[in-house]
Amino acid sequence: DAKTTQPNSMESNEEEPVHLPCNHSTISGTDYIHWYRQLPSQGPEYVIHGLTSNVNNRMASLAIAEDRKSSTLILHRATLRDAAVYYCILANSGYALNFGKGTSLLVTP
Amino acid sequence: DADVTQTPRNRITKTGKRIMLECSQTKGHDRMYWYRQDPGLGLRLIYYSFDVKDINKGEISDGYSVSRQAQAKFSLSLESAIPNQTALYFCATSAAPRAYEQYFGPGTRLTVT
Repeated sequence: DAKTTQPNSMESNEEEPVHLPCNHSTISGTDYIHWYRQLPSQGPEYVIHGLTSNVNNRMASLAIAEDRKSSTLILHRATLRDAAVYYCILANSGYALNFGKGTSLLVTP
Repeated sequence: DADVTQTPRNRITKTGKRIMLECSQTKGHDRMYWYRQDPGLGLRLIYYSFDVKDINKGEISDGYSVSRQAQAKFSLSLESAIPNQTALYFCATSAAPRAYEQYFGPGTRLTVT
């Protein structure tokens, strides 16, 4: 399976945008890029996914590089409730999600 | 009420004991999954099931077994618990065509002494 590389941790100020990077240089043509997040003491929750084009939903935006070797999850205005571990995951079959260690996002007031 | 429930939420057991973790869902999803999470690590897939008659091993199935009693129920068993099975266990569900969007339960914290 193609691997992803994320920073271990990032910090943001409340109400500022946050850009969470993910590198996936060995991504295959059929791999979708998924993002999940895990709030403290909770199970992971789906955030967004994409294949080639940038995607927006109510939670976040996903910017995908033209060569698909990297992507960025964008939280437009971070809130304290966005403090979580964010996982960038490649998958092409809708199961067997490999969560890795993710990026721990700290949001400060 | 939660869509995906797990029982028990916390359990302490002794080495060698058999233990069952249960998962129920009211989302009507056909796919169910069991993951474990160790401190500071991501989740690893133990078993997954696409319907009642379909059971598949995940990345770390050794020492575990599962039973899909109904579409809504998926149980994980540790036949003879060992201390390195101490972890947080999550159940998840999904359904085609959005099978990549998995819904997770609250987790079961298992301690094997």
